[in-house]
Amino acid sequence: EAGVAQSPRYKIIEKRQSVAFWCNPISGHATLYWYQQILGQGPKLLIQFQNNGVVDDSQLPKDRFSAERLKGVDSTLKIQPAKLEDSAVYLCASSSGGETQYFGPGTRLLVL
Amino acid sequence: GEDVEQSLFLSVREGDSSVINCTYTDSSSTYLYWYKQEPGAGLQLLTYIFSNMDMKQDQRLTVLLNKKDKHLSLRIADTQTGDSAIYFCAETLYSGGGADGLTFGKGTHLIIQP
Repeated sequence: EAGVAQSPRYKIIEKRQSVAFWCNPISGHATLYWYQQILGQGPKLLIQFQNNGVVDDSQLPKDRFSAERLKGVDSTLKIQPAKLEDSAVYLCASSSGGETQYFGPGTRLLVL
Repeated sequence: GEDVEQSLFLSVREGDSSVINCTYTDSSSTYLYWYKQEPGAGLQLLTYIFSNMDMKQDQRLTVLLNKKDKHLSLRIADTQTGDSAIYFCAETLYSGGGADGLTFGKGTHLIIQP
């Protein structure tokens, strides 16, 4: 079974630029999560999808972050415009609805 | 709000047991997890425990849960150099319709001395 795929693995941008990350969950997993992990901290949930609907986006900075999950499969997370404090690893996870979330390798973003 | 606390560092000698501790505040937590993260890598699920259990053992790993004190621990027997990593404690509420997002601690750096 293929795991959660994410791309790109690394991205370097300048502040005020835009960036987008892509996630392909494990086949058949209805629930998809995006987390932000700042250096030295644990991951923090940004948004949770159930199929193509948003379940929880209470911690998503909606003035600059947006996410979508068209057709209930792949998802993209966008930052526009980026700030220095957005430098982090962005982790995608998926679940079949049970208690286990499977994480992808993450996208490392550096904002200069 | 929810909060998960861990000590930042733990140093043990190779071959000894490591005990990593975690406290959480949300009494309604349904599942509690231990994840491992090696440098530059993603999160690897090590084990998890349901909130109505006291203990779970899986090979070298033993999880103990004290619900009264909201305290979770992970014991790694016969610690090896490959166990060197950051260990995250996490919790979630599972309502039957699916699990909420995880709330993580800041992670404990496990350092192995030869």
